[in-house]
Amino acid sequence: QVQLVESGGGVVQPGGSLRLACSASGFPFSNYGMHWVRQAPGKGLSWVAFIQNDGSNRYYAESVKGRFTISRDDSSNTLYLQMSSLRVEDTAIYYCAKPHDRWGQGTLVTVSS
Amino acid sequence: DIVMSQSPLSLAVTPGEPASISCRSSQSLLNSNGYNYFDWYLQKPGQSPQILIYLGSNRASGVPDRFSGSGSGTDFTLKISRVEAEDVGVYYCMQTLQPPSSFGQGTKLEIK
Repeated sequence: QVQLVESGGGVVQPGGSLRLACSASGFPFSNYGMHWVRQAPGKGLSWVAFIQNDGSNRYYAESVKGRFTISRDDSSNTLYLQMSSLRVEDTAIYYCAKPHDRWGQGTLVTVSS
Repeated sequence: DIVMSQSPLSLAVTPGEPASISCRSSQSLLNSNGYNYFDWYLQKPGQSPQILIYLGSNRASGVPDRFSGSGSGTDFTLKISRVEAEDVGVYYCMQTLQPPSSFGQGTKLEIK
C-alpha cells in the first residue's frame, strides 16, 4: 500500500530556509515522478513543484521558482523540497503526492517573525 | 498555463440524493496517449486530499461505486449517485497534463 510521510515543517522567520522530506513506501519510488502541493490556511490547493522519475526534469510554480528546489534520493525512497528566502505567504501545509494516487498527511510550514 | 474552473463552488445535498460537480479546463487535457490527465480529489474535514477518480474516469481503489467520473478534453463531471454523510468535504479537480499543474477552486459539499 502506498504510504507517504512528510516531515521537516516548523516555524521559520522570513528570509529563512527549511528542508522538507517525504518518505515513500509501498511502491517502486524510482519509477514515479512526484509532486509537492501546498495549502495555505483556509485556502484551496496550490501546486508547487514536480520532479520526473529520473530527476531529469523539474518544474516549479512561478511563485517559488528560484527559491525552492525539488529533489529525490531513490536509494532511500525520499523526496525533498529545499525552501529558501521564505516569505510569509509561503505559510501552508505542504503535501507530497504520487501522481493520480495517494498524498501524504502533510507538514505545516509557518513563516513568521 | 492551464486554468481549471469548477462549478458549483458549494452545494448542499439531502442524503440519498444525487450530486454533480463540473470542472472545465482552458485547454484540452487529452494526451496523445489517449488519456485525459485529469483527477478528482476529496478533502474531508481535517484530512489530506484523497484520490477519487484518476485519468478522467477511473475510480481509485477503495472508492465507493456511487462515485463516477466522466468527460474528455476540456469538460469533466464528477457524479455521486446517492450522497452519504461521509461524502462531506471539498472536492477538487486537478490537471497534470503540462506544468504548471493546476487545481480548480474547490467545491464544498454539505449535507442538508
